[in-house]
Amino acid sequence: QQPVQSPQAVILREGEDAVINCSSSKALYSVHWYRQKHGEAPVFLMILLKGGEQKGHEKISASFNEKKQQSSLYLTASQLSYSGTYFCGTAPGNTGKLIFGQGTTLQVKP
Amino acid sequence: GAVVSQHPSRVICKSGTSVKIECRSLDFQATTMFWYRQFPKQSLMLMATSNEGSKATYEQGVEKDKFLINHASLTLSTLTVTSAHPEDSSFYICSARTGYNSPLHFGNGTRLTVT
Repeated sequence: QQPVQSPQAVILREGEDAVINCSSSKALYSVHWYRQKHGEAPVFLMILLKGGEQKGHEKISASFNEKKQQSSLYLTASQLSYSGTYFCGTAPGNTGKLIFGQGTTLQVKP
Repeated sequence: GAVVSQHPSRVICKSGTSVKIECRSLDFQATTMFWYRQFPKQSLMLMATSNEGSKATYEQGVEKDKFLINHASLTLSTLTVTSAHPEDSSFYICSARTGYNSPLHFGNGTRLTVT
């Protein structure tokens, strides 16, 4: 039931772009994205509730392809503050509970 | 807004004792709270889902008699680790939401060390 994220880790220079993918073997009703910095709680980034929905938040945006049962998180012109571990969360069978992927560690270097 | 407070942030206890962790939503009413466990450099593993006034729903493999969850009000859920053992040492983190498709708001977590 756990969604699969790729890649597992990314190292970028400031200003570079990154894409993090999240896929599920089960039908997706919604996808959440969170970022967790070391030793801190995860912080909500965005929710996508409909197939084909895209959302943006400053230079971080996401898409949701319901048919392919996957979502992608796009980080453009990365900043040092983007460093952390990104988790996607999905609700299997529309149960409402959130199951997280294994995480993608992003490191942005100056 | 949407602040979740979790206490204690760190606790060290001896093997065989019990530890209670509190999770409070400070500025909103949480219809559902979730308890997760996280090992170093690993994902958030869902332990149980807690709805106010009803019994918690535990994930497969999570011992309900060991991890007692009480959701006494719309702003408070507690997790009690009973008869703790060293293998229970972990980072426990709660989250709360206002509605079915609402974001999860996380507490700052509790680092439990069982000696």
